[in-house]
Amino acid sequence: EVQLVESGGGLVQPGGSLRLSCAASGFTFSSYSMNWARQAPGKGLEWVSYISSSSSTIYYADSVKGRVTISRDNAKNSLYLQMNSLRAEDTAVYYCARGDIGGLMDVWGKGTTVTVSS
Amino acid sequence: EIVLTQSPDFQSVTPKEKVTITCRASQSIGGSLHWYQQKPDQSPKLLIKYASQSISGVPSRFSGSGSGTDFTLTINSLEAEDAATYYCHQSSSLPRTFGQGTKLEIK
Repeated sequence: EVQLVESGGGLVQPGGSLRLSCAASGFTFSSYSMNWARQAPGKGLEWVSYISSSSSTIYYADSVKGRVTISRDNAKNSLYLQMNSLRAEDTAVYYCARGDIGGLMDVWGKGTTVTVSS
Repeated sequence: EIVLTQSPDFQSVTPKEKVTITCRASQSIGGSLHWYQQKPDQSPKLLIKYASQSISGVPSRFSGSGSGTDFTLTINSLEAEDAATYYCHQSSSLPRTFGQGTKLEIK
């Protein structure tokens, strides 16, 4: 079964940092691009970042550019999101999602909750 | 940035009704439009990919159509379990964007 499991969320003060992780199983992780997306409480979905299968291509949404870093470890079947200088507006459920060759995010994890508050 | 505008924002429907949700893109995205269903406290579930391609395990009452800038998700013979928020999403260009969502309430 294809599965993505996020972890690392929590409560952090404004200006703080968090590192989110996503553990993949049930598919050849190294063959797929990956994404992070988020959903603020009561709001819609927002794409956050993309990383190609070999990590050679990376993109970020303008809302997080300069404050987050996406990375992956294909040997560990894991995806990461390092988040720095966190703001209240970063409060959201963060999802990792597998990408297909056309950019579709076809499989999503259950998400991990990040709350930025003093 | 490609803006996706869904309509309606909210719809209250009865079981067995036919439901149509539209998604309009601010510029042509070819067929790179996908539909997700999200129920409360769950992650998005892919319903239709590349405008009209069905997904294994998704009931056949869900179908999609369109290309370019105008797309439609159709739910034939609505069931109570279809109560959810539906999002369209484009993968034609970066940044990836989503529609604002359409909430379906079952009467």
